[in-house]
Amino acid sequence: DVKVTQSSRYLVKRTGEKVFLECVQDMDHENMFWYRQDPGLGLRLIYFSYDVKMKEKGDIPEGYSVSREKKERFSLILESASTNQTSMYLCASSLLSDRGNSPLHFGNGTRLTVT
Amino acid sequence: QKEVEQNSGPLSVPEGAIASLNCTYSDRVSQSFFWYRQYSGKSPELIMSIYSNGDKEDGRFTAQLNKASQYVSLLIRDSQPSDSATYLCAVRGGNYQLIWGAGTKLIIKP
Repeated sequence: DVKVTQSSRYLVKRTGEKVFLECVQDMDHENMFWYRQDPGLGLRLIYFSYDVKMKEKGDIPEGYSVSREKKERFSLILESASTNQTSMYLCASSLLSDRGNSPLHFGNGTRLTVT
Repeated sequence: QKEVEQNSGPLSVPEGAIASLNCTYSDRVSQSFFWYRQYSGKSPELIMSIYSNGDKEDGRFTAQLNKASQYVSLLIRDSQPSDSATYLCAVRGGNYQLIWGAGTKLIIKP
């Protein structure tokens, strides 16, 4: 079974802090993704990566950055946390597929509260 | 703007009945279709994937795809209280990006 591990289940941070959310997958997947999920807004893509050191902006990249130094690890960085970044953050991974038929596998999520 | 639409619900179904969840999408060249289940406070988990027109069955779950009408549905037979969750439809379009529906909340009443 694919395992996607997010380092923290719950995090509480103060406004202005730099926040690191870590994600590790153990199935040698090429693709990794960061989403946030808010009530009424569904899943929104922040950043994704198709390869080491490669990153692409998703739909809502503002206020975030990412790092992918190793294939198995994809980090989300909140440069200066704000209260509107309070959310559930979900990491996912998938195989690279020319046919686009590879599903996403999600980690357990990190519920971040910024006070 | 490519879209995936689902009725937000809640959809209330008696235990033992068939639950029918529907999803429509706007990108005609969409290739891959996925159903995820998400329990409250948990992350989405994959239930079914379907790529060709017709039905695909897996246990109590059946996914149905009709590309001409641009809809995909999920049927849950013999519904159980443990099936109560939010069901997310995801569609991979021609540019390989995954578009998510907002989800349908399903409640199975004992």
